[in-house]
Amino acid sequence: DIQLTQSPSSLSASVGDRVTITCRASQGISKYLAWYQQKPGKVPKVLIYAASTLQSGVPSRFSGSGSGTDFTLTISSLQPEDVATYYCQKYNSAPRTFGQGTRVEIK
Amino acid sequence: EVQLVESGGGLVRPGGSLRLSCAVSGFTFGSYEMNWVRQAPGKGLEWISYISSEGRTIYYADSVKGRFTISRDNARNSLYLQMNSLRAEDTAVYYCARDYDFWGHFDYWGQGTLVTVSS
Repeated sequence: DIQLTQSPSSLSASVGDRVTITCRASQGISKYLAWYQQKPGKVPKVLIYAASTLQSGVPSRFSGSGSGTDFTLTISSLQPEDVATYYCQKYNSAPRTFGQGTRVEIK
Repeated sequence: EVQLVESGGGLVRPGGSLRLSCAVSGFTFGSYEMNWVRQAPGKGLEWISYISSEGRTIYYADSVKGRFTISRDNARNSLYLQMNSLRAEDTAVYYCARDYDFWGHFDYWGQGTLVTVSS
């Protein structure tokens, strides 16, 4: 099975900072990767799919890139409402694995 | 408006059984693949099962294979998860989630239902 490894597992940054989260797949998955945001006590919400396509309604400060085995989620200017845990997921075949998550906090 | 509403969670003893339901509305249920995802307290997301739109193709995570059964009733707009031989490590919030398109990302999620396995 393909494993997804996210880094870092947590980060603390200041409002306005550029934040980057990486997701590495143990085998190539083309561009079949999504990023989800889960705020404390809330349901996960898709931000990015097909590695770089922004979900409708998601602020443009979020962006995704990558293909194959290495992927990145970038928040161009961190906002207080971005405090959440972020998960990557490969979805084109079973098992539809999630990464272990990256917790983002405000410094 | 697309809605997914889970029910059926609760407290169950180890070795017991529980059946979760996910009632959907706002879209043509029979045209979409569906999934169950769980989240143990304070832990990450774990995909556990997939069912195709007509119910003919099913997959499970190794952690639940042989104990859980996913099914659907397209006439009733409902998805189910029959959970048998429950263990303490099955304690989690269980979410149903819709595929955006065939083998796509998960675009809509329910609010979740908590299953607690404890004696």
